[in-house]
Amino acid sequence: KNEVEQSPQNLTAQEGEFITINCSYSVGISALHWLQQHPGGGIVSLFMLSSGKKKHGRLIATINIQEKHSSLHITASHPRDSAVYICAVRKSSGSRLTFGEGTQLTVNP
Amino acid sequence: KAGVTQTPRYLIKTRGQQVTLSCSPISGHRSVSWYQQTPGQGLQFLFEYFSETQRNKGNFPGRFSGRQFSNSRSEMNVSTLELGDSALYLCASSLDGLLSGSHLQETQYFGPGTRLLVL
Repeated sequence: KNEVEQSPQNLTAQEGEFITINCSYSVGISALHWLQQHPGGGIVSLFMLSSGKKKHGRLIATINIQEKHSSLHITASHPRDSAVYICAVRKSSGSRLTFGEGTQLTVNP
Repeated sequence: KAGVTQTPRYLIKTRGQQVTLSCSPISGHRSVSWYQQTPGQGLQFLFEYFSETQRNKGNFPGRFSGRQFSNSRSEMNVSTLELGDSALYLCASSLDGLLSGSHLQETQYFGPGTRLLVL
């Protein structure tokens, strides 16, 4: 079983829809990162969370440490949001990142 | 500020050869991490360098090695290439690496990657 699991693996939405991507982990962590990867490979770091909630534009990330769960929400989705969204955790015991398998999001106009 | 650069962007090698990939971090960043991304395994951590020292290493065989220079530029080397080494190799730089707990210090900036194909 992977230490970091994301759902869904694939998500197709219509422009304007509210989107939620989930990340569950099974280890103790000190931080959780959400990353965005566009076709061609470029990766952008969206959020780093250790508790609570963060918001940046139309993106909102939440984390529940007790439940070992994080969600990434996209409000008013747009075709340019189409990308792979990757959850990664930094375990309490070390500094390396462990990654989920990613969620492929496609937003249709 | 210029972003993270990686060279070369694309590379084709044959089994048994060795390869060296280069990563230039954002100016002022002292931590460089390397990752391998494949369709089957996803993103996996290779190693992290901070101030010319390897601070952390992933679960890869000894054929994978790296180093960091005094200007924070980093190289990774893969010897005796295998077909399974075909992947996108990404490096990421940050101010302080993954230990500070500070978003500013920990945020990683990724390079465009080197796509390696082993035939």
